[in-house]
Amino acid sequence: SAVISQKPSRDICQRGTSLTIQCQVDSQVTMMFWYRQQPGQSLTLIATANQGSEATYESGFVIDKFPISRPNLTFSTLTVSNMSPEDSSIYLCSVATSGSYEQYFGPGTRLTVT
Amino acid sequence: RKEVEQDPGPFNVPEGATVAFNCTYSNSASQSFFWYRQDCRKEPKLLMSVYSSGNEDGRFTAQLNRASQYISLLIRDSKLSDSATYLCVVNNLGGRRALTFGSGTRLQVQP
Repeated sequence: SAVISQKPSRDICQRGTSLTIQCQVDSQVTMMFWYRQQPGQSLTLIATANQGSEATYESGFVIDKFPISRPNLTFSTLTVSNMSPEDSSIYLCSVATSGSYEQYFGPGTRLTVT
Repeated sequence: RKEVEQDPGPFNVPEGATVAFNCTYSNSASQSFFWYRQDCRKEPKLLMSVYSSGNEDGRFTAQLNRASQYISLLIRDSKLSDSATYLCVVNNLGGRRALTFGSGTRLQVQP
């Protein structure tokens, strides 16, 4: 399976600032996704990152708050904008290849907003 | 009603025990089903896909009952290293291939 890395692995940020998280895959993949895992909770899908077009956001998530880029088939970024303590969470990217519903996850970015 | 429901546990079992986890899903149009394992402070890792015919991988057996919208995972001869949270995962967003996760069942295998 693909090797997925995320940067940064963790960060502590002040409220009102923004953080951009990078997801890099060592091979081309068809699909990339961004999830959030709040403390003690399971994963919630934020959006599907589409190469060359706007991301597809799930209910409750909007582009102004979580802008996403996907310039090619191996890289995507998620920005958490105008952060508040409620955004403290683990953010994970995942990938899937053509024809498969199986997804593989990056190691996650642990964000704390103070 | 949650889209994917699991008993949160924890399940505390001795080494060598057999343990079963159950999961129900609400969307009858769901197409693909998985069990993921998540260790503390780590990302989820795919344990196995679940097929209608049932499938087995070593000590792990997964079953799917589409009529009852029910998925199960059986772990035989539990090892200490099996201690983790087991996530029931369903694709119910059609062609978008995104996944919906259950809240997870925590397993603690004790010596």
